[in-house]
Amino acid sequence: DAKTTQPNSMESNEEEPVHLPCNHSTISGTDYIHWYRQLPSQGPEYVIHGLTSNVNNRMASLAIAEDRKSSTLILHRATLRDAAVYYCILTSYNTDKLIFGTGTRLQVFP
Amino acid sequence: DSGVTQTPKHLITATGQRVTLRCSPRSGDLSVYWYQQSLDQGLQFLIQYYNGEERAKGNILERFSAQQFPDLHSELNLSSLELGDSALYFCASSRSGTGQVGDTQYFGPGTRLTVL
Repeated sequence: DAKTTQPNSMESNEEEPVHLPCNHSTISGTDYIHWYRQLPSQGPEYVIHGLTSNVNNRMASLAIAEDRKSSTLILHRATLRDAAVYYCILTSYNTDKLIFGTGTRLQVFP
Repeated sequence: DSGVTQTPKHLITATGQRVTLRCSPRSGDLSVYWYQQSLDQGLQFLIQYYNGEERAKGNILERFSAQQFPDLHSELNLSSLELGDSALYFCASSRSGTGQVGDTQYFGPGTRLTVL
């Protein structure tokens, strides 16, 4: 299973954009890049995923480097509700199992 | 609400006992996944079933077993329970789960197991 590296924690102020980085230098050509988050006392929640091109949805944007060895999750305007642990995960051919790392704990200040 | 249901919400039992956790996937989803979340180990993938067959296996102990039934609901059986098995157990489901399209997983609210 290809590994990802994320900062342990990040901070943001409310209403500001947040860029959460993820390195995945051993990614293979068929690996998808997924982002999930876990709010306090809840199960993980899907945020966004992509393969090669940048992706946008109502929650966030995903910017994928040209060589695919890194990606960035962008929250355009952080809210207090976005305070959570964010996980960057690669899924491989043949299964969509999620191998969670330690993630990035995002704190959002009013 | 993710559409994935898990029962029971809480379970308290004693060491050496056996328990069964149940998961109903979202309508139309063929894959079910089980994850364990403990304070010291974080979120760990245990096992995946796809349309009734085991698809992928993670760090699942031999004392634990799972199955997926013809109606696609799944059960996780934990036996000879130890104190260290106390954790949150999450079930998730996805439309496919074969790895070819990067399926989204939808997580249930979890079952909190306490072993005394």
